Amino acid sequence: EVQLVESGGGLVQPGRSLRLSCTTAGFPFDDYALSWVRQTPERGLEWVSFIRSKAYGGTADYAASVKGRFTISRDDSKSIAYLQMNSLESEDTAVYYCSAGHLPGTFAHWGQGSPVTVST
Amino acid sequence: DIQMTQSPSSLSASVGDRVTITCRASQSISDYLNWYQQKPGKAPELLISDASSLQSGVPLRFSGSGSGTSFTLTISSLQPEDSATYYCQQSYDVFTFGPGTKVDIK
Repeated sequence: EVQLVESGGGLVQPGRSLRLSCTTAGFPFDDYALSWVRQTPERGLEWVSFIRSKAYGGTADYAASVKGRFTISRDDSKSIAYLQMNSLESEDTAVYYCSAGHLPGTFAHWGQGSPVTVST
Repeated sequence: DIQMTQSPSSLSASVGDRVTITCRASQSISDYLNWYQQKPGKAPELLISDASSLQSGVPLRFSGSGSGTSFTLTISSLQPEDSATYYCQQSYDVFTFGPGTKVDIK
């Protein structure tokens, strides 16, 4: 059974940092692209970042709204993906989902989501 | 970024009805179009990739079609468990989602 479990979310003050983890099982992690997608009632679903598999260079890309502040990484030995979020803003408040797919743009498997609230 | 629109924003239909949801892209995206179903409090689930490829385990009453800028998701015979919000998403360029179509059962 494919499983993705996000952790690390919570309440954080503006300007601070948070690191999300996505622990996975049940599929060949190192063959998959890993992505983060966030959702708010106001803006809906918004792609945040992806990282390709090592076979495709392991390169990453980011939405313009988070570029320079967020960093995605992966540990294939542990089947875990991370999203380091720095300089957080109130607009980053959302439920953050981890997703996996053969290709970066197809979100085949999803975690249950991790809420992040940026507020004083 | 490529803008995605969906119509209608919501619909109510009876069990057994044929339901069609339309998704339009602001520029041509070939067939780089995916459809997701999301139920309240749950993560989205991939139904269809590449405009028309049904994912494993998805009921055959779901189908997708289209290319370029106009796409449709069809539920041939609506079932109670299909009550959900449906999103289209393009994977041609910087990935963007449509605003969603909420489907209710009468």
